[in-house]
Amino acid sequence: SQQGEEDPQALSIQEGENATMNCSYKTSINNLQWYRQNSGRGLVHLILIRSNEREKHSGRLRVTLDTSKKSSSLLITASRAADTASYFCATVAIKAAGNKLTFGGGTRVLVKP
Amino acid sequence: GAGVSQSPSNKVTEKGKDVELRCDPISGHTALYWYRQSLGQGLEFLIYFQGNSAPDKSGLPSDRFSAERTGGSVSTLTIQRTQQEDSAVYLCASSLVQGSHEQYFGPGTRLTVT
Repeated sequence: SQQGEEDPQALSIQEGENATMNCSYKTSINNLQWYRQNSGRGLVHLILIRSNEREKHSGRLRVTLDTSKKSSSLLITASRAADTASYFCATVAIKAAGNKLTFGGGTRVLVKP
Repeated sequence: GAGVSQSPSNKVTEKGKDVELRCDPISGHTALYWYRQSLGQGLEFLIYFQGNSAPDKSGLPSDRFSAERTGGSVSTLTIQRTQQEDSAVYLCASSLVQGSHEQYFGPGTRLTVT
């Protein structure tokens, strides 16, 4: 079953704008990861944030984590048409064997040129 | 280097038939995972293999589902007596156990049960 919810479910923005999506989860986590999926097939890892971190950056990506609220956000700055994809947060629970991922429902992002 | 590969990319089968889905992980990755993605259930964990340890089968939805990993490399997911609700994209991922917890995903197998 899914760990939590992502918000919004869908997002449409113009190229150059920022895109922000949120993820909520239910259990205590070891880390939280964000993945991108194009065309409903393989997922690509974007960024990982550990439970003792509050913010992390990677290129145009900024991730925040609030463990007290059990929530995370992903910000994509200066979006490009190529950023059009579905974005999923995934958590690794503290007691999870083998780092198995529990995914949120995903946010579909459309970046219009 | 080569990424995770899966075969077939698409599979259409009749209800009641058995199917086998294959995953070739990245060489040297000792951890291998199967997930499935369906419209109704989203992305969900199925099974996890790590080295020679007993697999974590906690995500398998029924006893019609089984998986094996031979020689610590290639894995096969088998679905017996397929049902229409088994229709989904089946994704395989592999990772190194130590260091980053990043998982590398294959392109998936789209299974359609008619």
